[in-house]
Amino acid sequence: QKEVEQNSGPLSVPEGAIASLNCTYSDRGSQSFFWYRQYSGKSPELIMFIYSNGDKEDGRFTAQLNKASQYVSLLIRDSQPSDSATYLCAVIRSYNTDKLIFGTGTRLQVFP
Amino acid sequence: GAVVSQHPSWVICKSGTSVKIECRSLDFQATTMFWYRQFPKQSLMLMATSNEGSKATYEQGVEKDKFLINHASLTLSTLTVTSAHPEDSSFYICSAETGLPISYEQYFGPGTRLTVT
Repeated sequence: QKEVEQNSGPLSVPEGAIASLNCTYSDRGSQSFFWYRQYSGKSPELIMFIYSNGDKEDGRFTAQLNKASQYVSLLIRDSQPSDSATYLCAVIRSYNTDKLIFGTGTRLQVFP
Repeated sequence: GAVVSQHPSWVICKSGTSVKIECRSLDFQATTMFWYRQFPKQSLMLMATSNEGSKATYEQGVEKDKFLINHASLTLSTLTVTSAHPEDSSFYICSAETGLPISYEQYFGPGTRLTVT
């Protein structure tokens, strides 16, 4: 079992729709969760981080965390073609507070 | 804020030569810097963790004698790929941890694309 799992996609949504990206993790004691966006040929860009159960909203982005289910998601409202990218979920393990463990990413395609 | 730069952005070198990549935090002091490698269509793989003034901690399977890391100051870390071979061709990305306001946020540099011929 991979430590951080994501569906590779592509996830295709029409412009203006809500894109829902999901991520599961195996270390039950994980405390910190991050979503990065990576455009092709570029380095990752931090979108959001979440530490507590529940929802965290920032503009069009909402991160949702459910530690009991070991599940973290990212919702993108009013999706735009410029949101088309690979979204990486990353987790900091409970026993090592520095290292990010990345999922393989979900490719999102927003079509006009 | 939280800007990280890398230099060079791309480099082509011949097999057997060494290449140095610089990573700088421009507007903050980085307590820790990380070096990643990313092959096409794959996720980021952590190579090593670097703290200023101490030896880097390498991930399992990463040759410390081949990938030399120097973290000379709180704003600069360098990765030297020694005796590069074509299989070392990859996208090398550094990140820096701000430590403030919440620990463990990492900000990434723009990456260095290395091609070894």
